[in-house]
Amino acid sequence: GQQLNQSPQSMFIQEGEDVSMNCTSSSIFNTWLWYKQDPGEGPVLLIALYKAGELTSNGRLTAQFGITRKDSFLNISASIPSDVGIYFCAGRRTGNQFYFGTGTSLTVIP
Amino acid sequence: DSGVTQTPKHLITATGQRVTLRCSPRSGDLSVYWYQQSLDQGLQFLIQYYNGEERAKGNILERFSAQQFPDLHSELNLSSLELGDSALYFCASSGPGLDSEQYFGPGTRLTVT
Repeated sequence: GQQLNQSPQSMFIQEGEDVSMNCTSSSIFNTWLWYKQDPGEGPVLLIALYKAGELTSNGRLTAQFGITRKDSFLNISASIPSDVGIYFCAGRRTGNQFYFGTGTSLTVIP
Repeated sequence: DSGVTQTPKHLITATGQRVTLRCSPRSGDLSVYWYQQSLDQGLQFLIQYYNGEERAKGNILERFSAQQFPDLHSELNLSSLELGDSALYFCASSGPGLDSEQYFGPGTRLTVT
């Protein structure tokens, strides 16, 4: 099935640094979602975006729905050790299945 | 807690066997999705049900089947198991709205020996 292009594949950063990751697709989506997954656990929904250009925050996390509706961005400010995990983006066309990115593995070095 | 429940949490079985994984969606959600995640891999979409009917099919093997019951819980049946079927299997649910979010269960870890 279709997968979204997510980058970077992995990141190693110092505690306190900001993080940026993005997700692109050749198709238009009506909804973009960002998830965080800890090892062996289910993905946890972080942010949901519904409109092109929308910018939404959840604590230190900020995500944007790209204006072309073909991409989305996630920023994490002032990273802390518990931010470690794999971040997935997901896009949805109305009424249909969700398509997932390949994931960004984040390591935060204390 | 997402509100999506999955049982069992862990399952160990032998090659050639058949297992059933169970999922209960969040209260009010009509859609159930099944995903497979192998070690260090992304989420592979298997199948989606909406209010009891199959809605979309992804990379689901013929040895695998699923159904959604009138009370909206779902079961994923895996048969003739192979070593390569060892993975985390996640169920997710979403609400009736066209732009509803998707919430994941804690997963079932299947180990085929």
